[in-house]
Amino acid sequence: GQQVMQIPQYQHVQEGEDFTTYCNSSTTLSNIQWYKQRPGGHPVFLIQLVKSGEVKKQKRLTFQFGEAKKNSSLHITATQTTDVGTYFCAGGGGSYIPTFGRGTSLIVHP
Amino acid sequence: EAQVTQNPRYLITVTGKKLTVTCSQNMNHEYMSWYRQDPGLGLRQIYYSMNVEVTDKGDVPEGYKVSRKEKRNFPLILESPSPNQTSLYFCASSQQGRDGYTFGSGTRLTVV
Repeated sequence: GQQVMQIPQYQHVQEGEDFTTYCNSSTTLSNIQWYKQRPGGHPVFLIQLVKSGEVKKQKRLTFQFGEAKKNSSLHITATQTTDVGTYFCAGGGGSYIPTFGRGTSLIVHP
Repeated sequence: EAQVTQNPRYLITVTGKKLTVTCSQNMNHEYMSWYRQDPGLGLRQIYYSMNVEVTDKGDVPEGYKVSRKEKRNFPLILESPSPNQTSLYFCASSQQGRDGYTFGSGTRLTVV
């Protein structure tokens, strides 16, 4: 079945540094969703990308969907301690039943 | 407030004792899913439902059952729990999956 690989598994950064997590699929995706899970919390939906090459921004977060719709990235500029958590991508097929990656845990050191 | 409500939040049980984790959403969503989260493995889908009386297996359905008799409820049933089902469980719902999923607060299950 559809697989979504996410790297890295962990990322330590100093506060103020940038952070990027990457998501790759073995098949073409109809959409990609991104979620954030704070420590001890539940995943919270951030955004969905649908179009090839799409780029969306939310303040310091930039989301990209690859031209071939097989990969995506989330970039955080100038990380803050409030960015700590695990970021998941979820790739959707035609039925909008997403397959989640294993997540990237971001640790921000003040 | 729009939300997905799971109960209980924490549960410790013994091997073989049937249990049900309830999930209810108040957003009139059609899609509902159950996931389990284990360290290093991310969120793995157990079962999902695209509408009332329509359910299908996810990636790790063994040992679990679900039902969708009403749109708002999607209980997860463990007929004979085993220690390898010790995990953090999340229920989630979506309006046809198009606008992302809303997750419940989770149920931490320990089977001894």
